[in-house]
Amino acid sequence: VQLVESGGGLVKPGGSLKLSCAGSGFTFSTYAMNWVRQAPGKGLEWVSSISSESHYIYYADSVKGRFTISRDNSKNSLFLQMDSLRAEDSALYFCVYTVPGALGSFDYWGQGTLVTVSS
Amino acid sequence: SYELIQPPSTSVSPGQTARITCFGDVFPNQFAYWYQQKPGQAPVLVIYKDTERPSGIPERFSGSTSGTTVTLTITGVQAEDEADYYCQSPDSGGIYRVFGGGTKLTVL
Repeated sequence: VQLVESGGGLVKPGGSLKLSCAGSGFTFSTYAMNWVRQAPGKGLEWVSSISSESHYIYYADSVKGRFTISRDNSKNSLFLQMDSLRAEDSALYFCVYTVPGALGSFDYWGQGTLVTVSS
Repeated sequence: SYELIQPPSTSVSPGQTARITCFGDVFPNQFAYWYQQKPGQAPVLVIYKDTERPSGIPERFSGSTSGTTVTLTITGVQAEDEADYYCQSPDSGGIYRVFGGGTKLTVL
């Protein structure tokens, strides 16, 4: 099983960035997927979740209206479009899956991609 | 939204028992999940649905619940268990996911 995030980098406040996550070694299309972030030296913060067929999408209040989660099951890929970025969005962003039938758990994590928002 | 409250730190000697608590009004209506995160690594799920242990997680890790408090217990702590531990739960509606602030376990 692998979850490999990419797309992180340095961006100015107000800018945009799109993160990607490539899944392999499991049946991607049957798993709910999530983004969880961790600011440097801080705790974990749930960002967004998407069901296996994209019927259900949820966001944390801190990113609602600015971030958009999506997935392409034909390419085993998860995305996070981040707009209107703020300094407080700077963090390591983890791609995480939830096994089918599980409710609310984060069962397997990628290694993360770092986003830095700074002028 | 709601909060999950954990002590910031705890310490035990090797071979002793470590107990890490997590308080939240959402318990016992929602399950608790526990994650271990070692420095520079991604978190690992160590307990799910309050008391269940994923395959590959040592038997010394266990979970319990009592009212609005859930507890992660590590029996016979080893040096390799030194890490940050986070509790997590969905909210009452099952939509939002919240993490506790994390507890740093130091093995003396």
